[in-house]
Amino acid sequence: DGGITQSPKYLFRKEGQNVTLSCEQNLNHDAMYWYRQDPGQGLRLIYYSQIVNDFQKGDIAEGYSVSREKKESFPLTVTSAQKNPTAFYLCASSRDRGPQPQHFGDGTRLSIL
Amino acid sequence: GEDVEQSLFLSVREGDSSVINCTYTDSSSTYLYWYKQEPGAGLQLLTYIFSNMDMKQDQRLTVLLNKKDKHLSLRIADTQTGDSAIYFCAESRRDSSYKLIFGSGTRLLVRP
Repeated sequence: DGGITQSPKYLFRKEGQNVTLSCEQNLNHDAMYWYRQDPGQGLRLIYYSQIVNDFQKGDIAEGYSVSREKKESFPLTVTSAQKNPTAFYLCASSRDRGPQPQHFGDGTRLSIL
Repeated sequence: GEDVEQSLFLSVREGDSSVINCTYTDSSSTYLYWYKQEPGAGLQLLTYIFSNMDMKQDQRLTVLLNKKDKHLSLRIADTQTGDSAIYFCAESRRDSSYKLIFGSGTRLLVRP
């Protein structure tokens, strides 16, 4: 079955630590996205990538970094510079950079120890 | 998501119809989407409509688009307890590289 796999489902971060969230897709989609969701709020775009080896900042990129070395993979690193990292992180992909529906993974919940 | 507005909460009785409303502001929107999110899960694409359409029906779901008023609605017929979830409206704007702009979500509670 094609889809988007996010891991881990739950992640805990210590103060001053970087953590990396995994997102893999086997849909052969060109575009991938990372969103942050806080309780009672909609989704806010962190970073997106429309093609391999290229990515763009979204609305709330500060304290985060990404890479897109392979079409299938778009990992997100939450750095120690992100002072309020506790949230639900969602990865999505779409067929290409045009007005295509985005398909989502099941999310990673990040908490601070 | 501040440019896409949704009411926060809707409660209906099982078997009734539910209508979830959304307003958006950008006339360059091309597609408008409805997503469903169950607790602790990702977003599931329910349906979407192209901005030059007025209506789209898909089984129990009917989407109505009033482009003049920039108003989008999702009607769920014969609402079931399994429909209880948060529903997000999103717009895809041509002048923003087709990035999705989400509303804050409407929590639908279906009472037995």
